[in-house]
Amino acid sequence: EPEVTQTPSHQVTQMGQEVILRCVPISNHLYFYWYRQILGQKVEFLVSFYNNEISEKSEIFDDQFSVERPDGSNFTLKIRSTKLEDSAMYFCASSEGQAQYFGPGTRLTVT
Amino acid sequence: AQSVAQPEDQVNVAEGNPLTVKCTYSVSGNPYLFWYVQYPNRGLQFLLKYITGDNLVKGSYGFEAEFNKSQTSFHLKKPSALVSDSALYFCAVRDENRGSTLGRLYFGRGTQLTVWP
Repeated sequence: EPEVTQTPSHQVTQMGQEVILRCVPISNHLYFYWYRQILGQKVEFLVSFYNNEISEKSEIFDDQFSVERPDGSNFTLKIRSTKLEDSAMYFCASSEGQAQYFGPGTRLTVT
Repeated sequence: AQSVAQPEDQVNVAEGNPLTVKCTYSVSGNPYLFWYVQYPNRGLQFLLKYITGDNLVKGSYGFEAEFNKSQTSFHLKKPSALVSDSALYFCAVRDENRGSTLGRLYFGRGTQLTVWP
């Protein structure tokens, strides 16, 4: 069964550093998303992406965040200058139009 | 505003007994409703969805959920719980009126289900 994959599973970085989180969506899906979950809190929407452009972004997704689909398979989330409060589990999801299918997540720890 | 409430942080049930995990929602338009399950150190795994049609929807692993428009609820149920069902369950809603198929999901806080032998 096709799955969304994410790398790395865990990323530790220092405050102010740039990080890139990678995702490989399910191959025939056209809609892509990033969510995050701060420990003990709800899963929160960050951004949706379709046809090589951002469709919607939340108030969390400020200028420090960007997304890219550099080739036909990868979907990346970049945080330019990480803050302590960016520490969270980041989930990528893809959809064929109804249900969103999530990857296993990347745990980002900012020290 | 769109939101989801899962009123119980924890649900404990004996193996073989029926289980219910509660969810209520608030959207401005018609809801698309979803249940996801999260096992330790794993991602969110899709269980089932309600888009339209029959109010009782069946999903993976014997789970089902009932959409109740008047009560704005979408409770997850299983007739006979297994120890392996122990996990964190999330209810999510998407507002149909928010446009096309790209609508963001709004999640509840999650309910930890523990099934004891």
